[in-house]
Amino acid sequence: QTVVTQEPSFSVSPGGTVTLTCGLSSGSVSSSYYPSWYQQTPGQAPRTLIYNTNTRSSGVPDRFSGSILGNKAALIITGAQADDESDYYCVLYMGGGIYVFGTGTKVTLL
Amino acid sequence: QVTLKESGPALVKPTQTLTLTCTFSGLSLSTSGVRVSWIRQPPGKALEWLARIDWDDDKFYSTSLKTRLTISKDTSKNQVVLRMTNMDPVDTATYYCARIRAVGSATWFDPWGLGTLVTVSS
Repeated sequence: QTVVTQEPSFSVSPGGTVTLTCGLSSGSVSSSYYPSWYQQTPGQAPRTLIYNTNTRSSGVPDRFSGSILGNKAALIITGAQADDESDYYCVLYMGGGIYVFGTGTKVTLL
Repeated sequence: QVTLKESGPALVKPTQTLTLTCTFSGLSLSTSGVRVSWIRQPPGKALEWLARIDWDDDKFYSTSLKTRLTISKDTSKNQVVLRMTNMDPVDTATYYCARIRAVGSATWFDPWGLGTLVTVSS
């Protein structure tokens, strides 16, 4: 069973930078997994931030960026703001029509 | 503008079969390239991908749940239906449907419906 791992939580100061990662229990994440990232606030449906590794979805501020860092996908928030306090999920496409969500990261503003 | 809305029972009993409907507008599952997925989220827990159906009726299921899931479409009603058999309290979750968008081989979920909470309890 494939597990996609994310840091359980991160704290960041307003204006600070935080890098969230998305890894595989076995193997490396590459752009061939077409990683996407979603932001979810309590009681709300997820909102798409990044797709295809590093493409920002329409209307997403440019303080959000995506990349591959080492063997993981990464979501970088540069200049964090109060309303960035949310849960963040990555999704990897495993091929054959199968997707796996990451375990999620809770980001808290200090 | 594409919108999706989930509907179904708020409460089901253990061992029963859950049937959820995703009704959408702004797209048609008879159009090439259109895909819709179901995703769920137990209270306080992570999102979990469940199933996908494509315009050409290809269907894909979560490896761990495939024996319990059936996804289908009614193109004339702009609906996708998910059936999950043998419900258990651990299946208590908010169930979302989402359109799958694509650029080349890259796919992602957007937009999402608001979700519907299903509680499994006797």
